[in-house]
Amino acid sequence: DAGVIQSPRHEVTEMGQEVTLRCKPISGHDYLFWYRQTMMRGLELLIYFNNNVPIDDSGMPEDRFSAKMPNASFSTLKIQPSEPRDSAVYFCASSLSGQGVNNEQFFGPGTRLTVL
Amino acid sequence: GEDVEQSLFLSVREGDSSVINCTYTDSSSTYLYWYKQEPGAGLQLLTYIFSNMDMKQDQRLTVLLNKKDKHLSLRIADTQTGDSAIYFCAESFSSNTGKLIFGQGTTLQVKP
Repeated sequence: DAGVIQSPRHEVTEMGQEVTLRCKPISGHDYLFWYRQTMMRGLELLIYFNNNVPIDDSGMPEDRFSAKMPNASFSTLKIQPSEPRDSAVYFCASSLSGQGVNNEQFFGPGTRLTVL
Repeated sequence: GEDVEQSLFLSVREGDSSVINCTYTDSSSTYLYWYKQEPGAGLQLLTYIFSNMDMKQDQRLTVLLNKKDKHLSLRIADTQTGDSAIYFCAESFSSNTGKLIFGQGTTLQVKP
């Protein structure tokens, strides 16, 4: 398996533009997570899905952020409009189940977003 | 609420042992994890321990769990420059929702 795949790896955009980050989880994994990592705030959980259904979106910072999972093999995180304070590395992770050792989360390489 | 805390930075000399500490709040966590993040990469599971264990050893890694004090530690023996990374402690959310609570990460610097 190729692991969790994220695209793009780097994104530079201007304030006010729409940004879409993409994730392909590991095949067969039931859970998908979106995280944001910054120096100031560390690793923050934004939202996660179980069987394509959003379970907890309490970490989504504001209405400018939205996430979808139309099927088991694809998810998007959208920021519209983007702001400079959204600059961060965004990680997608997936796990097999929510219980026991199968709770291990596998992380993608991340998307480094810079909003000018 | 749930909270996992770690010291932010540790510096050691190559060949020494490193000990990274973590405290957590959810006493009903079933699994506790250590993840490693190398520069420019995502997090990768290093090791884990089940809550009914006190210790787990895996080559150069030793994990100690003190449930009474809700304290978890990761010891790396014979630390190498390749061990330089950020280390995250994480606990499984007690209701088995799939969610993990991560600490803020400890940056380990290994000096030659």
